[in-house]
Amino acid sequence: DAGVTQSPTHLIKTRGQQVTLRCSPKSGHDTVSWYQQALGQGPQFIFQYYEEEERQRGNFPDRFSGHQFPNYSSELNVNALLLGDSALYLCASRGLAESYEQYFGPGTRLTVT
Amino acid sequence: LAKTTQPISMDSYEGQEVNITCSHNNIATNDYITWYQQFPSQGPRFIIQGYKTKVTNEVASLFIPADRKSSTLSLPRVSLSDTAVYYCLPKSFQKLVFGTGTRLLVSP
Repeated sequence: DAGVTQSPTHLIKTRGQQVTLRCSPKSGHDTVSWYQQALGQGPQFIFQYYEEEERQRGNFPDRFSGHQFPNYSSELNVNALLLGDSALYLCASRGLAESYEQYFGPGTRLTVT
Repeated sequence: LAKTTQPISMDSYEGQEVNITCSHNNIATNDYITWYQQFPSQGPRFIIQGYKTKVTNEVASLFIPADRKSSTLSLPRVSLSDTAVYYCLPKSFQKLVFGTGTRLLVSP
């Protein structure tokens, strides 16, 4: 049983560009959340998707958008990249029966130059 | 919204017991307390959850006093591989900010 998978592992982009990160949840999970983790900080919640809709959103600008597909996989899009967007982007999934436990993927390391 | 407070860092030696205390004033009545562990360049991993008194699993124990304003994660006989960052989160926080956590360093 595969856990949460994310792609790509690493990514280097230039300021102003756009990026798409991908996540496949753990088998049986239908809720996907995205987090941004800057170096030395804890993860910060970006948004959560359930039933293909954004259900909750953290304090992130509209440059951050997402999508969830019928197979529960998800994408995180960031437009007009800033240097400050450089971080580890984590995807987490959970199922209804595991409401207290989120399973995290290994993350995508994004570097903006 | 309840705020969590943890020590920034802790040092220990192999074989010792480590206790990490987290303060969480104003925790909601129906919130559980969860702890996560994170190794460098990996996503956080769920360790344990509890509501009150004591919970134990194969990895750790969690002590929560009656007022539920704090919780203590206990790691018995730590090894070098327990070196990581440990986060305390009331359940409602799982969708928000983790905080900076406690960086535990285990030395030989």
